[in-house]
Amino acid sequence: GAVVSQHPSRVICKSGTSVKIECRSLDFQATTMFWYRQFPKQSLMLMATSNEGSKATYEQGVEKDKFLINHASLTLSTLTVTSAHPEDSSFYICSASLRDRAEKLFFGSGTQLSVL
Amino acid sequence: GQNIDQPTEMTATEGAIVQINCTYQTSGFNGLFWYQQHAGEAPTFLSYNVLDGLEEKGRFSSFLSRSKGYSYLLLKELQMKDSASYLCAVPRDDKIIFGKGTRLHILP
Repeated sequence: GAVVSQHPSRVICKSGTSVKIECRSLDFQATTMFWYRQFPKQSLMLMATSNEGSKATYEQGVEKDKFLINHASLTLSTLTVTSAHPEDSSFYICSASLRDRAEKLFFGSGTQLSVL
Repeated sequence: GQNIDQPTEMTATEGAIVQINCTYQTSGFNGLFWYQQHAGEAPTFLSYNVLDGLEEKGRFSSFLSRSKGYSYLLLKELQMKDSASYLCAVPRDDKIIFGKGTRLHILP
C-alpha cells in the first residue's frame, strides 16, 4: 500500500521560533497533499490543500502567512509554522491522495508540536 | 455545505456489539468514509461506502442510506484494542471533511 512519511514525530520549541514539518509520499506520486490540525479530543480540522507546483489553498480562518506550505515536488510537501506560539501547540497530520484514487487518503504518522 | 454529526462518546463492553451513527448533509454526495484513530496516532482507513446497503469486513461493518443522509459503523465482538475514536468523513470538492469523531470506551 501507499506510504506517507511525516517528520518529525514530535517537536518542542520556544515561543517565537519556526518549525518545519515534512511530509513525503514514499512509493507513489501525490497529486494533492492535505494538512490537518487536531487539538486534544477534537476532530481533524483541514488547514490547507496543496497541489504540486502551485500555491496552497487555505481553509477559512487559517493564516497563510503563519502556516507556510510548500509543495515543490510530487512526493514532498512541507508545513512551516512561523513564529510559533503556545496556542499553536497541536497535532499536525499530513495526508496524500493518489492521482487515480483521489477519494482515498493516506496519512502520515503525525507531528506533535509543543510550543513553550 | 457539509454538516456531519456523530455522538461524542460511547461506552460498550468487551465482547459486545456497538453501533456508531453518523448523519450528514451535503450538496453533492461522493461517498462516506469511516476511520479509526487511536490517541496520538494518525487515522487508519476502515471503510468507504458509495452505494446504499451494508458492507461487511470482518468484525467491522458499515451501512449507508443516501436518501436519509445516514451511515453507521457496526463493531462486533468488541476487543479492548477497539478503544479509539471513530471518524465519519465525506468528500467535498477535492477534500475530505471529518466529523468530530466518536470516542469509544470499551469496558472489560
